[in-house]
Amino acid sequence: DQQVKQNSPSLSVQEGRISILNCDYTNSMFDYFLWYKKYPAEGPTFLISISSIKDKNEDGRFTVFLNKSAKHLSLHIVPSQPGDSAVYFCAASAETSGSRLTFGEGTQLTVNP
Amino acid sequence: EPEVTQTPSHQVTQMGQEVILRCVPISNHLYFYWYRQILGQKVEFLVSFYNNEISEKSEIFDDQFSVERPDGSNFTLKIRSTKLEDSAMYFCASSEALQSYQPQHFGDGTRLSIL
Repeated sequence: DQQVKQNSPSLSVQEGRISILNCDYTNSMFDYFLWYKKYPAEGPTFLISISSIKDKNEDGRFTVFLNKSAKHLSLHIVPSQPGDSAVYFCAASAETSGSRLTFGEGTQLTVNP
Repeated sequence: EPEVTQTPSHQVTQMGQEVILRCVPISNHLYFYWYRQILGQKVEFLVSFYNNEISEKSEIFDDQFSVERPDGSNFTLKIRSTKLEDSAMYFCASSEALQSYQPQHFGDGTRLSIL
């Protein structure tokens, strides 16, 4: 299942700098996109979401950008903090196919002090 | 903050045995889900459940799987005759509503190991 793809398995940034995590999708029926953060031995924690009718959603240090024409979304974290070190999953859903979430592979973010 | 709780955290079972994974969703949520993540693979949708019925299921969710809400708080996933390939992390999730813009909230998972 390649409908949601995170091409970077890992990303390393310095504390205080911006982290940019990317996600691509192929299914044009997706109308809602979410980012989850996952620490080891814990479940995915909802971070931020965006509807397909918007191109940006911001919540504190986290901003998600959606480019529908490119079928691409990104999560910006600024400033990055060591506590942000986790695996970040992009997920998508489509109203037409119920509520199932389709996940990407995840990107391991490491924020170095 | 309310959370989804799952038990046990780790279950070891012999191949061919039945296993029941348990979940307590967030109390005011009405929609419940099971996902799994095989080691090194993506998180995959199994099933969604609402009003004591399956709303949607994936091709993974075959006849060996079943879900139940036996009382007002628990939501269970039963695997009837486990296979080696059922070894995975199983995540329960819940949401307030079924609309795609309602985020699903996940538990910490049950690691199922089939020997």
